[in-house]
Amino acid sequence: AQSVTQPDIHITVSEGASLELRCNYSYGATPYLFWYVQSPGQGLQLLLKYFSGDTLVQGIKGFEAEFKRSQSSFNLRKPSVHWSDAAEYFCAVGANRGSTLGRLYFGRGTQLTVWP
Amino acid sequence: NAGVTQTPKFRVLKTGQSMTLLCAQDMNHEYMYWYRQDPGMGLRLIHYSVGEGTTAKGEVPDGYNVSRLKKQNFLLGLESAAPSQTSVYFCASSQGLNQPQHFGDGTRLSIL
Repeated sequence: AQSVTQPDIHITVSEGASLELRCNYSYGATPYLFWYVQSPGQGLQLLLKYFSGDTLVQGIKGFEAEFKRSQSSFNLRKPSVHWSDAAEYFCAVGANRGSTLGRLYFGRGTQLTVWP
Repeated sequence: NAGVTQTPKFRVLKTGQSMTLLCAQDMNHEYMYWYRQDPGMGLRLIHYSVGEGTTAKGEVPDGYNVSRLKKQNFLLGLESAAPSQTSVYFCASSQGLNQPQHFGDGTRLSIL
C-alpha cells in the first residue's frame, strides 16, 4: 500500500529565510503527489500537484516542489518565508492504478512556525 | 463560492448516541470523501463515493456508515458513538479520481 513520510513534525524558520519541507513516499509506480496547507480551524487548501511531466512544479503563494523518482521524494520549497505561511503542511500521494485507485494517503504533517 | 460545506461545525455527544454529519458540494463533483484528522496522525480516509448511489470503504471505516443519495450530498453516520471517535471530520470532493480534492472546514466532534 502507499504511504507518505514527513520526517519533520515541527520546523521553525525566521521570516525571510528559505524553507524546505521534506516528503518521502512509498509506491511501486509513478504516483500522483500533492501538497496541502492547513491553517488553524480551517480545511486543507491545495498548494500544488504533480501528475507527470516536468518534475519541478509551481504552486500558489510562491511555493514549488520537485519530484525526484530516484529518492521517492517530493519536497516543498519556498525561497523566502512570510509570517502568513505559518500553518501545517501535508504531503499526500495518490495511486493511479489498482485497488486503491483514486484514494489519497496523507503524511502526518509538518507544523511550520515563522519567527518575525 | 460555497464549495464544500459541512454541517454542523461542532458537536458534543454522549457515548452511545447517534448522529449524522452532512457534507454538501456545489461544484458538481462526482467524487466525495470523508476523513478524520487526529493529532499527529494526518488525515485518514473513512469512506468515499465515486458517484451518486455508490460508496466504498477507506482505511478506517469501522463504526461509520455513509450514504450518497444525491450527487451533491454525502452523509456520514455514527450509529453508536464511542470516545475513540472524538476527532475532527473533513469532507472533500473532486472532479475525478486523483484530481485535487476540495475540503470543507471540518466538523469538530467530541464524544464523552
